[in-house]
Amino acid sequence: DAGVIQSPRHEVTEMGQEVTLRCKPISGHDYLFWYRQTMMRGLELLIYFNNNVPIDDSGMPEDRFSAKMPNASFSTLKIQPSEPRDSAVYFCASSPLGRGYEQYFGPGTRLTVT
Amino acid sequence: TQLLEQSPQFLSIQEGENLTVYCNSSSVFSSLQWYRQEPGEGPVLLVTVVTGGEVKKLKRLTFQFGDARKDSSLHITAAQPGDTGLYLCAGTSNSNSGYALNFGKGTSLLVTP
Repeated sequence: DAGVIQSPRHEVTEMGQEVTLRCKPISGHDYLFWYRQTMMRGLELLIYFNNNVPIDDSGMPEDRFSAKMPNASFSTLKIQPSEPRDSAVYFCASSPLGRGYEQYFGPGTRLTVT
Repeated sequence: TQLLEQSPQFLSIQEGENLTVYCNSSSVFSSLQWYRQEPGEGPVLLVTVVTGGEVKKLKRLTFQFGDARKDSSLHITAAQPGDTGLYLCAGTSNSNSGYALNFGKGTSLLVTP
C-alpha cells in the first residue's frame, strides 16, 4: 500500500518567493496533519484537518502560512512570502478515523529559503 | 501546550548493551505514542499506550506508561545497530483539541557494532 506522499522532496527558494508543498494522504484516512521540524524547536504541529475541514490551526506561525484540503486525497501548505527562518523539514501525516493519534508520516519536504 | 521532556538527549552505546530513555511531563495524557525517525525520513509509529501502568513489548523494545499517565519509558534490550535513530515521544491530552500531538525533542540513539 502506498504511504503518505509528499512533493517536492527538496525545495530551495529565495526569500520573498511563494512556496507550495503538496501532500497525498493514505487512502481512507480521515485526518491530515502538517508539521514542521527544526533542530531548535523539534517537531511542531502546524494545522490538522478532519474530513477536509481545518480543526486546529493554532500552530500556523503567521499569516504568511496557509493550508488547504480541497478533497480527501490532496492538501497543500503554502508560504507567501517565504523567509529564511521558514527553512525546515515539513511533514505531512494522516491517520484513520477513531485513531487520530496514530499518525503515518510522509518522507517530508526539506525547504531551504536563501 | 503540554511540554514533553525527553532524556537523555543523546546516547551512544555499543551493540549488545541495554538502555532506557525517558519521556516526562507535568501534564496528564490520555494517550502517549513512541515514534522512531531515521535520517531523511518521517517518524514511524512504534507503539501507543493509553492506560496508566500499561506495559507493551515490541520484540526487544519495552514501553511503559506511568501510573499517573504523565511519563513513559522505552527500554531496549541488547541494542543493535539497526536501532539507531531518533526516538520521539508524543502525547495527546484531554485539554487538547482532538488529535493535536505534542512531541518531545527526542533522544538520538547511536548503536555502534
